[in-house]
Amino acid sequence: AQTVTQSQPEMSVQEAETVTLSCTYDTSESDYYLFWYKQPPSRQMILVIRQEAYKQQNATENRFSVNFQKAAKSFSLKISDSQLGDAAMYFCAYHSGGYQKVTFGTGTKLQVIP
Amino acid sequence: EAGVAQSPRYKIIEKRQSVAFWCNPISGHATLYWYQQILGQGPKLLIQFQNNGVVDDSQLPKDRFSAERLKGVDSTLKIQPAKLEDSAVYLCASSKERGINLNTIYFGEGSWLTVV
Repeated sequence: AQTVTQSQPEMSVQEAETVTLSCTYDTSESDYYLFWYKQPPSRQMILVIRQEAYKQQNATENRFSVNFQKAAKSFSLKISDSQLGDAAMYFCAYHSGGYQKVTFGTGTKLQVIP
Repeated sequence: EAGVAQSPRYKIIEKRQSVAFWCNPISGHATLYWYQQILGQGPKLLIQFQNNGVVDDSQLPKDRFSAERLKGVDSTLKIQPAKLEDSAVYLCASSKERGINLNTIYFGEGSWLTVV
C-alpha cells in the first residue's frame, strides 16, 4: 500500500519570505499523480498544484512550485513571497493512476508571520 | 463549471440518532469519494464510487455507515446510529478519468457533523 509522509507538523514563515514543505511517499507504481492541497479553517480542500509522475519538469503555479524527485520519492512544495492568506493546513496527496486510489499525508500547518 | 455541492453544511445530532449527507459531484465526473476528516488529522477515505459501482469501501464502518450513488451522479452517505467518535467533517469529492486535469480531485465545502 502507498504511504505519504509529511514530517513537519508545523512550519512558520515571515511574510514575503520563502518556505518549503516536505513530502515523501512510498510506491512501487510507475503511473501516479501527486498533489498539494491547502485547507484553511473553513475546511474546504483547495488544490494548489499537481504533478504527473511521468513528467520530469517540476510543476509551477504562480508563487507555488514543487521539487519532484522521483527516484528519491520526494515531492516538496515551495511557496515564494509568502502572504498572510497562505496560512493554512497543507496536505500532500498521492493518486494511484491505475487503481484510482488516493492517499493523503497527515498535513503541515503553515503559519505566516506579519 | 459548478463545483462539488454538499448539504447540509452543519449538523448537530445526539448519539444513536441518524444523519444523512448529500453530494452532487461536478458534472461529468465519474469518480466520487467520501472522506471523513477528524479535527487535526488528514482525510480518511470512507468509500469511492466509479459511476454507480463501489471501487473501495474497505475503511467504511459498515455496521453503521452506508452510502449509495444512484444513477452514477448524486450520492448519499448515512450514519445510523451515530457515535460520539463520528464527529468530523465529511468531505465529498469527485474526479474525472479523461481529458484535462484527469485524476485531479475536487472537493466540496464539507459537512460538519457534531455528535453530542
